[in-house]
Amino acid sequence: EDKVVQSPLSLVVHEGDTVTLNCSYEVTNFRSLLWYKQEKKAPTFLFMLTSSGIEKKSGRLSSILDKKELFSILNITATQTGDSAIYLCAVLADSWGKLQFGAGTQVVVTP
Amino acid sequence: NAGVTQTPKFQVLKTGQSMTLQCAQDMNHNSMYWYRQDPGMGLRLIYYSASEGTTDKGEVPNGYNVSRLNKREFSLRLESAAPSQTSVYFCASSPVLDKYYGYTFGSGTRLTVV
Repeated sequence: EDKVVQSPLSLVVHEGDTVTLNCSYEVTNFRSLLWYKQEKKAPTFLFMLTSSGIEKKSGRLSSILDKKELFSILNITATQTGDSAIYLCAVLADSWGKLQFGAGTQVVVTP
Repeated sequence: NAGVTQTPKFQVLKTGQSMTLQCAQDMNHNSMYWYRQDPGMGLRLIYYSASEGTTDKGEVPNGYNVSRLNKREFSLRLESAAPSQTSVYFCASSPVLDKYYGYTFGSGTRLTVV
C-alpha cells in the first residue's frame, strides 16, 4: 500500500526562525513529489520535484528530493507570520494524475 | 476569474438526506478529482475522472457517486448522508501534462451531517 508520511505533525516557531519539514514516502511507480501550502481554504501549489538532488527555490522556500532514501524536505528561512499554514506533501505514482497526500504539517509562526 | 468553482461552500444535512456537490473548471483540463479532508488525515481521494466520459474510484469511494457531465463539470453525489461524511470536500483539476501534474483546487465545501 502506498504511503506518504510527514513529520512533524505540527510545530510552533518564532518569526525569523528556520523551519524544516520532512516527507517520506513508499510508493510503487514514483513519478513526482509535490508540496502545497494550505491556509484557510484550498491548497496552493509550491513545488514539484522529479529529480534527486536538484533544489527548487521560491523566495524563502526551498525543497529537495532524495529518491534513494525516499524523502523530501521543505525549508522555510526567516519565517514570517504569513508562513503560518498547513504544508502538504503529495506523491504522484500513476499516469492519471492521482496524488497521494500526507497528513500535513501545521506550522504556526508567532510574532 | 479562471479556476475551479465549487458549490455550495457550506451545507448542513440530516442523516439520510441526499445532495450533490457541483464542480466546474474553465481551464480545459482533462482530469478532475474529488478529495475529502479530515483533521490529521490529509486529503484522501474519493473519485477521479481522467477524461470526459470516464470515472474511477479512489481511496474512499463508499457512499459517494460521481458524474463527469462534460469536460468542464464533475459532480459528487451523496445518496444517503451519514455523520462519517462530515468533512471538507475539495474538487481539483489538472492538465496531466508530461512535465506538470499540479492541481488547481476549488475553494472547498464544508459539509456537516447531523
